[in-house]
Amino acid sequence: DGGITQSPKYLFRKEGQNVTLSCEQNLNHDAMYWYRQDPGQGLRLIYYSQIVNDFQKGDIAEGYSVSREKKESFPLTVTSAQKNPTAFYLCASSIRTGGKNIQYFGAGTRLSVL
Amino acid sequence: AQKITQTQPGMFVQEKEAVTLDCTYDTSDPSYGLFWYKQPSSGEMIFLIYQGSYDQQNATEGRYSLNFQKARKSANLVISASQLGDSAMYFCAMSPANNFNKFYFGSGTKLNVKP
Repeated sequence: DGGITQSPKYLFRKEGQNVTLSCEQNLNHDAMYWYRQDPGQGLRLIYYSQIVNDFQKGDIAEGYSVSREKKESFPLTVTSAQKNPTAFYLCASSIRTGGKNIQYFGAGTRLSVL
Repeated sequence: AQKITQTQPGMFVQEKEAVTLDCTYDTSDPSYGLFWYKQPSSGEMIFLIYQGSYDQQNATEGRYSLNFQKARKSANLVISASQLGDSAMYFCAMSPANNFNKFYFGSGTKLNVKP
């Protein structure tokens, strides 16, 4: 089945620790995205990547880092500089066809601080 | 600046009835796309429907239709014949054509379908 796989589903971070969230897609989509969702709120863009080896900061990139070494993979690292990392993280991918750019999402990773 | 407003934090609808979820947006871009997503309690965001700003007709996808009023900058989602499985959070989003990788999301509406 084609889709977007995020792992792990639940993740716990200790103080001062970096953690990495995985996102893999087999849809052959060019662009990939990371969003953060806080309780009762909409999604906020952390980073996005349109092609391999290129990525841009979104609205809340501070304390996060990404890499895009392969088309199908876009891991997100939550660094110790992110002081309030507890949130739900969603990865998405998209391909632009006929003027439309529809994003499709993974099932998310819920990150909590110990 | 782009802004999406969903004024209904929560809505109730009786099973088999229709419901309208409101969405207004603010943009100075002449060309843009409008989207609705469903987020069940499991967390995954499910794409429902798309409307382009230059589309002449309102978009429809099965039981979902988008009531697009460009002059009012509104893009309301209509769900016909509600089902219990429609209970979820619903998010409206907008993406400008000149920066199509940027999506702006509203704060969502929680829909509860009553049996």
